Order: sequence, then C-alpha cells, then structure tokens
Amino acid sequence: NAGVTQTPKFRILKIGQSMTLQCTQDMNHNYMYWYRQDPGMGLKLIYYSVGAGITDKGEVPNGYNVSRSTTEDFPLRLELAAPSQTSVYFCASSYAADTQYFGPGTRLTVL
Amino acid sequence: SQKIEQNSEALNIQEGKTATLTCNYTNYSPAYLQWYRQDPGRGPVFLLLIRENEKEKRKERLKVTFDTTLKQSLFHITASQPADSATYLCALDTAGGGADGLTFGKGTHLIIQP
Repeated sequence: NAGVTQTPKFRILKIGQSMTLQCTQDMNHNYMYWYRQDPGMGLKLIYYSVGAGITDKGEVPNGYNVSRSTTEDFPLRLELAAPSQTSVYFCASSYAADTQYFGPGTRLTVL
Repeated sequence: SQKIEQNSEALNIQEGKTATLTCNYTNYSPAYLQWYRQDPGRGPVFLLLIRENEKEKRKERLKVTFDTTLKQSLFHITASQPADSATYLCALDTAGGGADGLTFGKGTHLIIQP
C-alpha cells in the first residue's frame, strides 16, 4: 500500500492564481481530511469528508473548496490564491474516524 | 471550541533518560486522545491512542497516561535515543467524535542529546 499520497510536493503561486492539491489514498478509508500547518502552529482543519459525495467545512474553510467523487480521491481547490494561504497542506485519511494517516504534505508559497 | 496546550518550547533530554511531554486541554471531555510524531518536512505519524476509560497505555518504549479529571495526558519515552528527536503532537477528537477531524496542539520539539 502506498498509503496517502499528495501532489505536488512544492508549488509557488502568484496572487490570484488557482490550483488544485491532489490527495489519494489506497486504504479504502471513508474518512478524509485536509489540514494546513503554519510555522509553530498546530494543524488546522480546512475540510473533511465522511464518504464519497459528502463533504463539510472545518475550522478554516474560507478560500478553499473540495470534492469527493470517489472513495480514493479528495482534491483541495484554491481559488484566487492569497499570501495568507502560504502554508503546508496535509491530507489525511481514517478508517474509523480515530487514528489518522497523513500524506507527506504540499508546501505552498503565494507571492 | 477545544483548546490544547503543549509545552511549545524545545525539551532537551540526555540520551538514556526518560522524556516526559505534557498535553493539557480545556472544555469538553474527549472520547480519546492521540499522540503523533512529526519529523521536519514530513506528515505526522500516529503513535498511540488512549480512550477516556483507560488510564495508561504502552507500546514498546512509549507510555501514555490520561487523566480526565486533570484534563491532562502525559507522554513518556523511556531509554530515549537521539533518533527519538522530533516534534510530538497531541490530538483530541472533536465533539463530533473524530469524524469531523481532530484538534491538534502546537507540538513539543524534543531533542535527545547524545
């Protein structure tokens, strides 16, 4: 099993550009999550999904959108990138909504 | 909302000693508490989960305690090694039981000195 994979690893965006962060898991987990981690801060939940076709907002959803058309994939869309979205983004999945398995992260810089 | 406090300053421990990390929380009582390890440039890795009805849990050199009265968890690494140097994150389920994500502390940076 590859676990949770994320692409790209790094990305630099200009203000106002858009992009999609990809997340795929091969563990057949129903629960998937997107977090962001700023330096010296804890992970903040952006969006989550309890199964294909179901998504909901987390603590910091503004400026982001998600979709969950399959169990495996949970892409995160950034529209109109802003410097405040400079962060490291982690995708995670869970079988029973307790232990979470994280991907390697995407480091995003918005200039 | 849930608030978690971890000693955010670096903790320096001599190799071979026991490292003890603290996690304090406020507000509602979680159904479980988890500890993760995070190395620089990598995603968090799950270490241990302890439920509200459990006082203590062990895994090899790791031990976690959970005091729901004090609203505190202690994370111990015995016979510490330089390879144990990392940031350790405490996480709690939310009022939704974890389906709607975990609340993470800022983490404690542990340094094991040879």
